[in-house]
Amino acid sequence: DSGVTQTPKHLITATGQRVTLRCSPRSGDLSVYWYQQSLDQGLQFLIQYYNGEERAKGNILERFSAQQFPDLHSELNLSSLELGDSALYFCASSVSILAGSPLHFGNGTRLTVT
Amino acid sequence: TQLLEQSPQFLSIQEGENLTVYCNSSSVFSSLQWYRQEPGEGPVLLVTVVTGGEVKKLKRLTFQFGDARKDSSLHITAAQPGDTGLYLCAGRGTGAGSYQLTFGKGTKLSVIP
Repeated sequence: DSGVTQTPKHLITATGQRVTLRCSPRSGDLSVYWYQQSLDQGLQFLIQYYNGEERAKGNILERFSAQQFPDLHSELNLSSLELGDSALYFCASSVSILAGSPLHFGNGTRLTVT
Repeated sequence: TQLLEQSPQFLSIQEGENLTVYCNSSSVFSSLQWYRQEPGEGPVLLVTVVTGGEVKKLKRLTFQFGDARKDSSLHITAAQPGDTGLYLCAGRGTGAGSYQLTFGKGTKLSVIP
């Protein structure tokens, strides 16, 4: 058990809809990362927060947004969903952003857009 | 964007064989990590290497970081069915790029009993 909790585990929704994925980091970890994993693209970095502030942005679509709250949990909002957004979405946390800091991953949310 | 190329993409071997998987980039990394991911779960960290030329051993797994810190390899001795999984390398850039951890697409390993 990594200590990172993601909910829900599975999500099925229709095109055009909006969903929110939630992540609770490991106790004591200040940094949260969001990744998207698909079969053809692998693990793609979306966005990172550290202690409530956005620190790095990857290939995150404008239809996607995220935030980290004062209690350090994070939410990833996906809107105007398209079929191609179907993927596994992982949240990870780390205690710091220093080089070498390990990431602890949750078990992901599997999003299916129909 | 820093890219990590992993090879081979797929590997199927018999129990007891040795294997090496590779992780290559044209970019320099401040550190490199290897993760293993099993179906239905998130990746789990195996090792972190930070010094060029560094070699780390974890039981039957040997990890090496290239001298120029642009590439890495993972060698497994006497593979076992429990080694089956997706092996991912991930690198942190230098300077402002150190915030981001970039993953390769992985090597899917199957060890047949």
